[in-house]
Amino acid sequence: GQQVMQIPQYQHVQEGEDFTTYCNSSTTLSNIQWYKQRPGGHPVFLIQLVKSGEVKKQKRLTFQFGEAKKNSSLHITATQTTDVGTYFCAPPGDSNYQLIWGAGTKLIIKP
Amino acid sequence: EAQVTQNPRYLITVTGKKLTVTCSQNMNHEYMSWYRQDPGLGLRQIYYSMNVEVTDKGDVPEGYKVSRKEKRNFPLILESPSPNQTSLYFCASRRSLNTEAFFGQGTRLTVV
Repeated sequence: GQQVMQIPQYQHVQEGEDFTTYCNSSTTLSNIQWYKQRPGGHPVFLIQLVKSGEVKKQKRLTFQFGEAKKNSSLHITATQTTDVGTYFCAPPGDSNYQLIWGAGTKLIIKP
Repeated sequence: EAQVTQNPRYLITVTGKKLTVTCSQNMNHEYMSWYRQDPGLGLRQIYYSMNVEVTDKGDVPEGYKVSRKEKRNFPLILESPSPNQTSLYFCASRRSLNTEAFFGQGTRLTVV
């Protein structure tokens, strides 16, 4: 079935450093959603990207959708402790009733 | 407050003892899903429902049942739980296709 590759699996950063996670698909996507899951919590919706080449910003978070609509990225500038958690990309599946979830990228702030 | 409510939050049970995890949403959403989350595997869909009395299998349906008799409720049933069903389970609802998913708080199930 349809799969999406998300990398890296983990990223350790010093507080104040930047963080980036990438999501890649072998097929063209109609849209892609991003979610954040805090430790011990549940996934929470961040944003949806729909247009080719789209770039959206939420404060220090920048989301991009590739021109070919096969990849997407989330970049966090100057990480803070509140950013800790796992970030998931989730495009729709073949049936469109499903979301296909990347394995997630865990953001860890080094002590 | 718009929310998805799952119960129980934690459950330890023995192999073979039937159990039900309840899920209820107060947003009048059409679509509801059950996921399991295991380390390194992300979220895998178990079952989903497009409306009352309409359900379909997700990617990992074996060993699970669901029902959607009312729009707001979507219980997950494990008729004969086994240790490989030990996992973190999430219920989610969406208003329509291509809209955001709202998740319940999760149910951590341990089958011994």
